[in-house]
Amino acid sequence: DAGVIQSPRHEVTEMGQEVTLRCKPISGHNSLFWYRQTMMRGLELLIYFNNNVPIDDSGMPEDRFSAKMPNASFSTLKIQPSEPRDSAVYFCASSLRRENNEQFFGPGTRLTVL
Amino acid sequence: AQSVTQLDSHVSVSEGTPVLLRCNYSSSYSPSLFWYVQHPNKGLQLLLKYTSAATLVKGINGFEAEFKKSETSFHLTKPSAHMSDAAEYFCVVTGNTPLVFGKGTRLSVIA
Repeated sequence: DAGVIQSPRHEVTEMGQEVTLRCKPISGHNSLFWYRQTMMRGLELLIYFNNNVPIDDSGMPEDRFSAKMPNASFSTLKIQPSEPRDSAVYFCASSLRRENNEQFFGPGTRLTVL
Repeated sequence: AQSVTQLDSHVSVSEGTPVLLRCNYSSSYSPSLFWYVQHPNKGLQLLLKYTSAATLVKGINGFEAEFKKSETSFHLTKPSAHMSDAAEYFCVVTGNTPLVFGKGTRLSVIA
């Protein structure tokens, strides 16, 4: 298995632009998680899905952030409009179940908003 | 509710000496505990996990951790540090919720 795949690996954009991050979980996993990592705040859980259904989005910082999972093999995290303070590394992870199971992380997307 | 506290934000050891990264947890449920490692500019990789089986858990790269319920601890150890062990380490707890991550401990290894 190729593991969790994220694209793009790096994204540089200007303030106000729309940004879309993509994730393909490991085949057969039914839970998917989006995290954000910054030096100041560490690793934060933004949202997670179970069987393609959003379960908890309380970590999503603002309405500018949205996430979708149209099918079991694809998820997107969208920021619109982007702001410099959104600059961070965004990780996607997947697991067999949402609780108690180890999560497998993708390599991350490094986002820079100028 | 679950929480985890990593007692040291930064640990520095000499190559060949033992490593100890400390972690205390709080959980209302029988917890599962994990240690993840993150090398610079990389994603997180699972080192080892405890899920109510043996209290001494062996992981990859010579690391191990011991679950001590009486002390609510899950410290990570390695007998002899290698330069390649320099990374950020995260202690993680889960019970009936998704993983709760500690703030991380940065391990430096001095030649």
